[in-house]
Amino acid sequence: GNSVTQMEGPVTLSEEAFLTINCTYTATGYPSLFWYVQYPGEGLQLLLKATKADDKGSNKGFEATYRKETTSFHLEKGSVQVSDSAVYFCALSDPQAAGNKLTFGGGTRVLVKP
Amino acid sequence: NAGVTQTPKFQVLKTGQSMTLQCAQDMNHEYMSWYRQDPGMGLRLIHYSVGAGITDQGEVPNGYNVSRSTTEDFPLRLLSAAPSQTSVYFCASSEFPGQGGTQHFGDGTRLSIL
Repeated sequence: GNSVTQMEGPVTLSEEAFLTINCTYTATGYPSLFWYVQYPGEGLQLLLKATKADDKGSNKGFEATYRKETTSFHLEKGSVQVSDSAVYFCALSDPQAAGNKLTFGGGTRVLVKP
Repeated sequence: NAGVTQTPKFQVLKTGQSMTLQCAQDMNHEYMSWYRQDPGMGLRLIHYSVGAGITDQGEVPNGYNVSRSTTEDFPLRLLSAAPSQTSVYFCASSEFPGQGGTQHFGDGTRLSIL
């Protein structure tokens, strides 16, 4: 079956530090890959996505590249802000699965301190 | 534009009670789904629907029922609540077919079963 593994948190950083959250996946076929972000008390919001190998998704200074050879989709940001404190979820959508189901990783809580 | 609306935001139930979690979307999306979020486990799919009148089970369907009589609404029913169902519940919708498509999440319902 499909699965997503991401690094456990919490990750605590100082403002302007570099952030990396590792994500690897197992899937049949060629999934689409996503990063969703959840701010305190809110639902999940799409942060970025990539639909095929070597695609780079980017948004709000965050980037992730779809690496088929290493089955990875690591999230990076060069200079974090306090407002980036949230829980980040890596997810995949399998084209062989019925509907548009997402398989999620366990989430990584990020805390950015001033 | 309301997006995905979930009610209630919070609920406390006693073991054995029943209740319905409401979900409505105003984007005319065909695909809707329910997830539960538990610490360290990411989001797990409970049930999903690919259109009015069509529902199917996800990863953790036991103890939950759904129906889809209209495109807009997708309620989740707990027939006899159990403490193991204490969780945060998220409803999501997306266009279908949705390979690579964005799922839009509601703000969640925090449910406690005593």
